[in-house]
Amino acid sequence: AQKITQTQPGMFVQEKEAVTLDCTYDTSDPSYGLFWYKQPSSGEMIFLIYQGSYDQQNATEGRYSLNFQKARKSANLVISASQLGDSAMYFCAMREGRSAGGSYIPTFGRGTSLIVHP
Amino acid sequence: EAGVAQSPRYKIIEKRQSVAFWCNPISGHATLYWYQQILGQGPKLLIQFQNNGVVDDSQLPKDRFSAERLKGVDSTLKIQPAKLEDSAVYLCASSFGLSSYNSPLHFGNGTRLTVT
Repeated sequence: AQKITQTQPGMFVQEKEAVTLDCTYDTSDPSYGLFWYKQPSSGEMIFLIYQGSYDQQNATEGRYSLNFQKARKSANLVISASQLGDSAMYFCAMREGRSAGGSYIPTFGRGTSLIVHP
Repeated sequence: EAGVAQSPRYKIIEKRQSVAFWCNPISGHATLYWYQQILGQGPKLLIQFQNNGVVDDSQLPKDRFSAERLKGVDSTLKIQPAKLEDSAVYLCASSFGLSSYNSPLHFGNGTRLTVT
């Protein structure tokens, strides 16, 4: 079963508008971390934001915020005031805690391509 | 702080040839990862090291892929012999700790491999 599901293969947004990229996850471990990465066409993976399973508040980093709905197992990325430089692939990832029987291996979704129009 | 260094940036080889990729993690990062990213997909973990020991290599095709991290710092990933389906970007990443689910991975720029 997919641990990380990103259902939007592509998204388009007008410059200066806000956009939400969806991510749902599957785990039975109470301890886990959720991450979002940006991958521009140049190929490097850039860490954007982190949300821990025990965090009470939604994470924010500048124009990025994470809409964490634990009961629904969703961790959507919200980008406010989109810029042309935000055009890239965006990946949601998860690391599970030790009780999952693993070694905190980070697993990634298939990604969402975001295009920002001027 | 210097980021994760990878080389080469691009590599084109013919099938059945061999190729090696090099990675130097962020200083002080004990955990090192090699991921394979096929076009249009998310990264898939090949192998994870903690210092110079292998933590997980369950998805590494061991008949053709090998990796080492002899002194617990830099690492080499080798493919021998290469197949057409090995065409992908190979990403190296490092993180501060293994036993932590809140430690983000920091990636290098990747090596884009084309097998013809």
